[in-house]
Amino acid sequence: SAVISQKPSRDICQRGTSLTIQCQVDSQVTMMFWYRQQPGQSLTLIATANQGSEATYESGFVIDKFPISRPNLTFSTLTVSNMSPEDSSIYLCSESADGDTQYFGPGTRLTVL
Amino acid sequence: AQSVTQLDSHVSVSEGTPVLLRCNYSSSYSPSLFWYVQHPNKGLQLLLKYTSAATLVKGINGFEAEFKKSETSFHLTKPSAHMSDAAEYFCALSYNTDKLIFGTGTRLQVFP
Repeated sequence: SAVISQKPSRDICQRGTSLTIQCQVDSQVTMMFWYRQQPGQSLTLIATANQGSEATYESGFVIDKFPISRPNLTFSTLTVSNMSPEDSSIYLCSESADGDTQYFGPGTRLTVL
Repeated sequence: AQSVTQLDSHVSVSEGTPVLLRCNYSSSYSPSLFWYVQHPNKGLQLLLKYTSAATLVKGINGFEAEFKKSETSFHLTKPSAHMSDAAEYFCALSYNTDKLIFGTGTRLQVFP
């Protein structure tokens, strides 16, 4: 599997601000994904980051709130916009080279005050 | 509809005793099934996966899981627990070859 890094690893932000999370993979991968893990809960898929085109969002997630970029096959960003305390979560990116098995980054722990 | 049910939110075992973490699934398709582990303040690590080859799947750190279609189950086992196994474990199902659906997780505690 590829090695995945995320920046920042954690952050504390004020409500109303935005945070951009970066995900870097050390090799070219077909698919990249973004997940949210709310406190004490499981993971929920936010969107699939498509290289060179708009991300595909899951029900309940919208581009205005979670804009995603994927400029190439090794990098993606997720922005959490106009944050509220309810956005406090762990945000994880994952990659899949074969379209079946996903490998995850270490996550970004976000606290919104 | 696809879904994953982890039957126990918490499991406690003594070090050296067997571990059983239960997972049932529902899928209209032939699923791929996964177990991931999340240690405190860490990301998810893949333990093992089932993709319609052998029904008994061996993973890392001595874990294994058996796919039972008749019972729609994919339980995770380990013969002897170590203190380092204490973590959150997630069962997940893949459909349409790319999207993962996760169970709610099972927290494993290991007592000395």
